[in-house]
Amino acid sequence: ELKVEQNPLFLSMQEGKNYTIYCNYSTTSDRLYWYRQDPGKSLESLFVLLSNGAVKQEGRLMASLDTKARLSTLHITAAVHDLSATYFCAVNAGGTSYGKLTFGQGTILTVHP
Amino acid sequence: EAGVTQSPTHLIKTRGQQATLRCSPISGHTSVYWYQQALGLGLQFLLWYDEGEERNRGNFPPRFSGRQFPNYSSELNVNALELEDSALYLCASIVYRGMNTEAFFGQGTRLTVV
Repeated sequence: ELKVEQNPLFLSMQEGKNYTIYCNYSTTSDRLYWYRQDPGKSLESLFVLLSNGAVKQEGRLMASLDTKARLSTLHITAAVHDLSATYFCAVNAGGTSYGKLTFGQGTILTVHP
Repeated sequence: EAGVTQSPTHLIKTRGQQATLRCSPISGHTSVYWYQQALGLGLQFLLWYDEGEERNRGNFPPRFSGRQFPNYSSELNVNALELEDSALYLCASIVYRGMNTEAFFGQGTRLTVV
């Protein structure tokens, strides 16, 4: 059974600081996703990571994937209040069921002035 | 292109009743995935429909069921509602972009069972 674990589950940051969210998964997967969710809202796709060593960046967020370690990271640079949200990583178990994802527990990020 | 649309946005039902939730995938896309996001339980895969057939289901009781119509829209039915069925139900559609194929989610239906 595929398991996905994120840490930390809660993250309180000051504006301007850097931090990293970690996502570990238990079995081989051919793709890993990062999503953002604002309170009461749906999931917004941030990144799709496919191969070992993949790195993608968008604004203050950078995601990486190490398939050998079964680890993905979401790095936040110089946090701003607008980044406050819940962040999920999700893993697809492979095959053709691209939408069958196993999600991590989510990391609730709060950025303080 | 239009995204994934779900209706209704909010739904309040009484314990024991039935709820019907609807989803329209991205135009032309044949697969629909349903997820439940219940407080404290995270996001859990519920059902997958493709080409009108149920392809896979998560660890949910049979009172969670659904169907997919010829136009690829889908319904999720929850029978004999229980209080713990209160959750945000999300529907996802797959955007095929070769290696960058990914799932996009609708805005969700907030089901409250009282």
